[in-house]
Amino acid sequence: DIQMTQSPSSLSASVGDRVTITCRASQGIRDRLAWYQQKPGKVPNLLIYGASTLQSGVPSRFSGSGTGTDFTLTISSLQADDVATYYCQKYDGAPLTFGGGTKLEIK
Amino acid sequence: EVQLLESGGGLIQPGGSLRLSCIASGFSFSNYGMSWVRQAPGKGLDWVSAVSGDGRTTYYPDSVKGRFTISRDNSKNTMYLQMNFLRAEDTALYYCARKYSATSGFDYWGQGTHVTVSS
Repeated sequence: DIQMTQSPSSLSASVGDRVTITCRASQGIRDRLAWYQQKPGKVPNLLIYGASTLQSGVPSRFSGSGTGTDFTLTISSLQADDVATYYCQKYDGAPLTFGGGTKLEIK
Repeated sequence: EVQLLESGGGLIQPGGSLRLSCIASGFSFSNYGMSWVRQAPGKGLDWVSAVSGDGRTTYYPDSVKGRFTISRDNSKNTMYLQMNFLRAEDTALYYCARKYSATSGFDYWGQGTHVTVSS
């Protein structure tokens, strides 16, 4: 099975910073990658699918890139509301594996 | 408005069985693949199973294969997860989620139902 590895596992940044989270697949998954945001105590929310397509209603400061095995989620200007854990997920085929998550905090 | 409502969770002894339900509303249920995703306390997201829109095709990770069975009744807009031979490590909040398409992720999630496996 393909493994999904996220880095870093935790991150502290200041409001206004540019933040980048990476996700690596152990084998190529084309662009079949999604990113989710889960705020504390809340349900996961789809941010990006197809590696780079922004889900409707998601702020434009979020962006995704990559194909094959290496992917990134970027927040162009961090806001206090972005405190959350972020997960990547492959969906090229079963199993629909999630990455281990990246916990983002405000410095 | 799309809504997903899970039920059926509870406290169950190791080796026991439980059936979760997810009632969908606000969309044409049979047109969408659905999944169960769980989250153990303080841990990350863990995909548990998926079923195609017509219910004919199912998928499982090795961790639950042979113990869990996903199904759906499109006439009732309801998806199920039959969980047998439950283990302590199955303790989690279980979410149902809709997969928008083959080229998209899970665009709607329910609030989840808690499953605790303990003696």
